[in-house]
Amino acid sequence: EAGVTQSPTHLIKTRGQQATLRCSPISGHTSVYWYQQALGLGLQFLLWYDEGEERNRGNFPPRFSGRQFPNYSSELNVNALELEDSALYLCASSLARGRENTEAFFGQGTRLTVV
Amino acid sequence: SQQGEEDPQALSIQEGENATMNCSYKTSINNLQWYRQNSGRGLVHLILIRSNEREKHSGRLRVTLDTSKKSSSLLITASRAADTASYFCATDARERNAGGTSYGKLTFGQGTILTVHP
Repeated sequence: EAGVTQSPTHLIKTRGQQATLRCSPISGHTSVYWYQQALGLGLQFLLWYDEGEERNRGNFPPRFSGRQFPNYSSELNVNALELEDSALYLCASSLARGRENTEAFFGQGTRLTVV
Repeated sequence: SQQGEEDPQALSIQEGENATMNCSYKTSINNLQWYRQNSGRGLVHLILIRSNEREKHSGRLRVTLDTSKKSSSLLITASRAADTASYFCATDARERNAGGTSYGKLTFGQGTILTVHP
């Protein structure tokens, strides 16, 4: 069974551009989470989607947005890129939010570099 | 702000020794999970301990949870060089929105960097 897959693995953008990151959850998982891991800052919660809707959002500006598709895959969009957006972006998936105590499984991440 | 705070920030030991990492958190939780991250890539889920559990084992891993002290520990016994990685605790703390529905999200600590020397 395939795990959580993210694409691309690496992404280089210039300041002011837009970046689109993609995530495919484990089959049967309906919840998708996005995290940012900048150097030395740990994992910061970005967004949580479940059943196609945004359920929770971390303390990030509106230029960080995303969506979840009917097949439960997800996109993270970062507009007007800034140098400090350079980070590893991790996606995780889990079973439906109605089931408590479920593990979240992570993809390998997308390394975004803004120059 | 981070829910979990880990201690120590870095730990260096010899192969065969035990490694203990601690995690403290601030709010009530449903469960606490431990993850491992190798070389800045994806996180690997290690173990989940529910709020009504006090101890859990998985292979060489032993996790304890003390909800009265809001703390957890991860013990790796008989460590190996391959255990070298960053270890994170993450808390699943239910939040309630205006509609009264609870939403869980995982909040991570800063992690402990474990180095096991052969």
